[in-house]
Amino acid sequence: DTQMTQSPSTLSASVGDRVTITCRASQNIYTWLAWYQQKAGKAPKSLIYKASTLQSGVPSRFSGSGSGTEYTLTISSLQPDDSATYYCQQYNSYPWTFGHGTKVEIK
Amino acid sequence: EVQLLESGGGLVQPGASLRLSCAASGFTFSNTAMSWVRQAPGKGLEWVSAIDSGGGTDYADSVKGRFTISRDDSKNTLYLQMNSLRVEDTAVFYCAKHGGSIDYWGRGTLVAV
Repeated sequence: DTQMTQSPSTLSASVGDRVTITCRASQNIYTWLAWYQQKAGKAPKSLIYKASTLQSGVPSRFSGSGSGTEYTLTISSLQPDDSATYYCQQYNSYPWTFGHGTKVEIK
Repeated sequence: EVQLLESGGGLVQPGASLRLSCAASGFTFSNTAMSWVRQAPGKGLEWVSAIDSGGGTDYADSVKGRFTISRDDSKNTLYLQMNSLRVEDTAVFYCAKHGGSIDYWGRGTLVAV
């Protein structure tokens, strides 16, 4: 199975800050990586697939990059509505696996 | 508009069975692969099972042999038959539509064992 390691586990930043979350896969996943946002008590929301393609309707302040085993999610200018937990997920092979999540808090 | 509506969750004893359903609308269900993803209380997301448009299936090791995913394209409905439930199966179960991995999620149904 492919293990996904996310860092940091939590981060606190101010409105307007640039925020970066990192996800490392235990093997090459060939950009078959997605990012999700989950707010407290809600279902996840899909943000990015194929490492860097935004899902329809996702604000352009979100971006993804990476290749091989290293991937990043960047929020270019943090907004109050971005307070949530973010998960990466590989879909290169079954079983699909998720990172443990990064909780983003607004200072 | 894509809609996924889960049902069938509840409180059961260890060893019991439960069948979850997911009613889908707003897209061509028969052409679309689907998954179940669960989330234990206070924990992260765990992929459980997937089924493709041809009926091919995959399972997480934690549920293999106990859970069965299926679909009824005539009813636009996805199912998850869960047998021999364990305390550690307690979670919110989400139905998820495939599209660049997952593009839409249901609101979830709670299973408490």
